[in-house]
Amino acid sequence: DAEITQSPRHKITETGRQVTLACHQTWNHNNMFWYRQDLGHGLRLIHYSYGVQDTNKGEVSDGYSVSRSNTEDLPLTLESAASSQTSVYFCASSESGSGEETQYFGPGTRLLVL
Amino acid sequence: QKEVEQDPGPLSVPEGAIVSLNCTYSNSAFQYFMWYRQYSRKGPELLMYTYSSGNKEDGRFTAQVDKSSKYISLFIRDSQPSDSATYLCAMTHTGANSKLTFGKGITLSVRP
Repeated sequence: DAEITQSPRHKITETGRQVTLACHQTWNHNNMFWYRQDLGHGLRLIHYSYGVQDTNKGEVSDGYSVSRSNTEDLPLTLESAASSQTSVYFCASSESGSGEETQYFGPGTRLLVL
Repeated sequence: QKEVEQDPGPLSVPEGAIVSLNCTYSNSAFQYFMWYRQYSRKGPELLMYTYSSGNKEDGRFTAQVDKSSKYISLFIRDSQPSDSATYLCAMTHTGANSKLTFGKGITLSVRP
């Protein structure tokens, strides 16, 4: 069965360190998204990609970067982790131009920045 | 004003109750409306999807969209403890390659 996976599921890091969160989908979807979810804010879009070599900034992109070298993967990098980036991170994917914006979400990565 | 407003909750109901979850929005360009369900420590999963105004029913769940009032609802009939989860509304302008705007979510607890 097609799926979307994230790793690691839990991560503790220190302020200032670079951290990369992995997202891998086997749906063969062109569209991929990274969100963070925080109490009181809901899901907020960090970065998104509509295909290989395409990346775009979302609502809360400062301090984050992504790259898309193939269809299946969209890693999210925190350049220099800050305590404000403690959150739960979700990756999602959707089919391009389907007319139905069904985004399939991964299980999430819980990140704690100390 | 936020683009999408959702009652913050939490909401606690007895088993068998009818539950009404609501969102309002300000952007009249939204055409596609979704409800996602998120169990604790899991990713959101699509529950209901509606295009434009009207109702859509799926088992015990009914999604309703009133574009004139910029108001969407999710009704759960005969609620079950397994319905206990966080429910997020989401909406978007067009179908192709568009980003979703989410409500903050409301946590529902159904008491046995």
